[in-house]
Amino acid sequence: GAVVSQHPSWVICKSGTSVKIECRSLDFQATTMFWYRQFPKQSLMLMATSNEGSKATYEQGVEKDKFLINHASLTLSTLTVTSAHPEDSSFYICSAMKPTEAGELFFGEGSRLTVL
Amino acid sequence: DQQVKQNSPSLSVQEGRISILNCDYTNSMFDYFLWYKKYPAEGPTFLISISSIKDKNEDGRFTVFLNKSAKHLSLHIVPSQPGDSAVYFCAASAGGGNKLTFGTGTQLKVEL
Repeated sequence: GAVVSQHPSWVICKSGTSVKIECRSLDFQATTMFWYRQFPKQSLMLMATSNEGSKATYEQGVEKDKFLINHASLTLSTLTVTSAHPEDSSFYICSAMKPTEAGELFFGEGSRLTVL
Repeated sequence: DQQVKQNSPSLSVQEGRISILNCDYTNSMFDYFLWYKKYPAEGPTFLISISSIKDKNEDGRFTVFLNKSAKHLSLHIVPSQPGDSAVYFCAASAGGGNKLTFGTGTQLKVEL
């Protein structure tokens, strides 16, 4: 199956710093990628839709200035958590849509962010 | 407002028996449903899906049933294997889009 890779898989940072998480589709070009956040024992919540070459579309309640998304190429989307605080600690997962008729979604392995 | 609900946070089943995971939804615009399996610290992996024009889809040991009138779907795994132990998420989308709404997940434990 298709492969979507996230990096880093885990990161610990100090409060107030910014953290960048990368999502790469390794064997297909993805014009659309999605970013999710999962709290412990909770559902995956869609944060934003990342579109190559244009601005991301954020879901209601997600601060676009805090969670910066850049989809600079057809194989890479980045999520930057700016001025991170302990409440931003979470598991962040991306998915990439394969440009087939079925529009299959493939998920990355996820990135665990811990803000001290 | 949780549009996709998985009311059982956990389920324990003996190896070889059937596992039945349930999912309910409230949004009548949902027309495509998917089940994902997730291990700790990993991203979800796709298991099986069903379109609203069908009421059953089968793939090996996995079968998904859809009851549109009840807005209910279920995933049957038979026979259950220890490697099936994971969190299972039900997800739904509407209108051919790929914005998925996920349930809260059910932790399945298959015991020897």
